[in-house]
Amino acid sequence: SQQGEEDPQALSIQEGENATMNCSYKTSINNLQWYRQNSGRGLVHLILIRSNEREKHSGRLRVTLDTSKKSSSLLITASRAADTASYFCATAGNTPLVFGKGTRLSVIA
Amino acid sequence: DAGVIQSPRHEVTEMGQEVTLRCKPISGHDYLFWYRQTMMRGLELLIYFNNNVPIDDSGMPEDRFSAKMPNASFSTLKIQPSEPRDSAVYFCASSFGQGSGELFFGEGSRLTVL
Repeated sequence: SQQGEEDPQALSIQEGENATMNCSYKTSINNLQWYRQNSGRGLVHLILIRSNEREKHSGRLRVTLDTSKKSSSLLITASRAADTASYFCATAGNTPLVFGKGTRLSVIA
Repeated sequence: DAGVIQSPRHEVTEMGQEVTLRCKPISGHDYLFWYRQTMMRGLELLIYFNNNVPIDDSGMPEDRFSAKMPNASFSTLKIQPSEPRDSAVYFCASSFGQGSGELFFGEGSRLTVL
């Protein structure tokens, strides 16, 4: 399975700190995506990184991809209480997205 | 655009009853996906459609589950008969142009089977 696995399962930080979440997967991919889910809501797409890209930025988000290690990381800088949510990585090969179980991020004001 | 619209948002039913979940994808999107989310198993892909045609239903857990997409603006996921282990949040998502691109999710239908 190419299912991503996020690490850690849960993360608690103070407002203003950086949050780093990691994702590992098992098979080759075309792209890797990160999604955010607020409690009781649907998933929202954050960023997509293609297999030939190594790093991508979007606002306070920075995503890296290391295809040799089959891993990705999501960095949220200067976190805010509103960043409290679950974050999922999703891998795409020749099939639709397969999601990991997510990292639950709590940002304490 | 209104986004992906799912109904009902919450459904509580008794074991053995039929459950029908509905989804309206974003206009112009040609892919539609049904996912199920539970604490134990995370997000699982049940089935997906391309241009209203089911492409892969290997994730559908049992014959009790069926999905249809009669036109580009409507899909249903039906469970008959329902069982307590079907309790989960069911998400519909749509995308444009490729099955592995950015997905737009609805808010989900939370199903509780007693």
